[in-house]
Amino acid sequence: ETGVTQTPRHLVMGMTNKKSLKCEQHLGHNAMYWYKQSAKKPLELMFVYNFKEQTENNSVPSRFSPECPNSSHLFLHLHTLQPEDSALYLCASSLGTGFNEQFFGPGTRLTVL
Amino acid sequence: DAKTTQPNSMESNEEEPVHLPCNHSTISGTDYIHWYRQLPSQGPEYVIHGLTSNVNNRMASLAIAEDRKSSTLILHRATLRDAAVYYCILRGRLYSGAGSYQLTFGKGTKLSVIP
Repeated sequence: ETGVTQTPRHLVMGMTNKKSLKCEQHLGHNAMYWYKQSAKKPLELMFVYNFKEQTENNSVPSRFSPECPNSSHLFLHLHTLQPEDSALYLCASSLGTGFNEQFFGPGTRLTVL
Repeated sequence: DAKTTQPNSMESNEEEPVHLPCNHSTISGTDYIHWYRQLPSQGPEYVIHGLTSNVNNRMASLAIAEDRKSSTLILHRATLRDAAVYYCILRGRLYSGAGSYQLTFGKGTKLSVIP
């Protein structure tokens, strides 16, 4: 238990669906991250939020839309995804973006049909 | 970005020490060396980090070469719970964000522990 929770743990969606992934941390951290882990590929950083403000978008397609209403919650809104978007989506948090240790959630396993 | 090179896989017997190597010949003077591990069906977990000096914590030790071009993560007594993919990462700065750092994960080393 890392203090970072993600829901749902598994999600199957069609290409025309709209869904959202949720991440919550109870660690008092100010920075939150979305990563994507595809099969046989390294973890890829998608978005970084610091004090609710997005500080990084690593060339992520617009069909992925992040939202950070407060420092404890992070969402990833999904719409018109492609099968190649199927992956494990991981959320992480840290005290600040300049701090060394990131705490990861268990991830959401997403399958796009 | 500076990259790291790790063996794809390693094996260790339970209760024996494990030395996981990492090469990072293009490391810059400001890059920290981080190690994370990912157990099956879990997110990555922080293990240890260092800059120049060797580091010890409750999980592991990190030995950094004098020229900083390589490092070794040392698990003193491997247990079955240590079976995971171990990532050696250089923490580089994201140039577009003030004071923000990026962890760039590679493929890591898959450690198997034999009972």
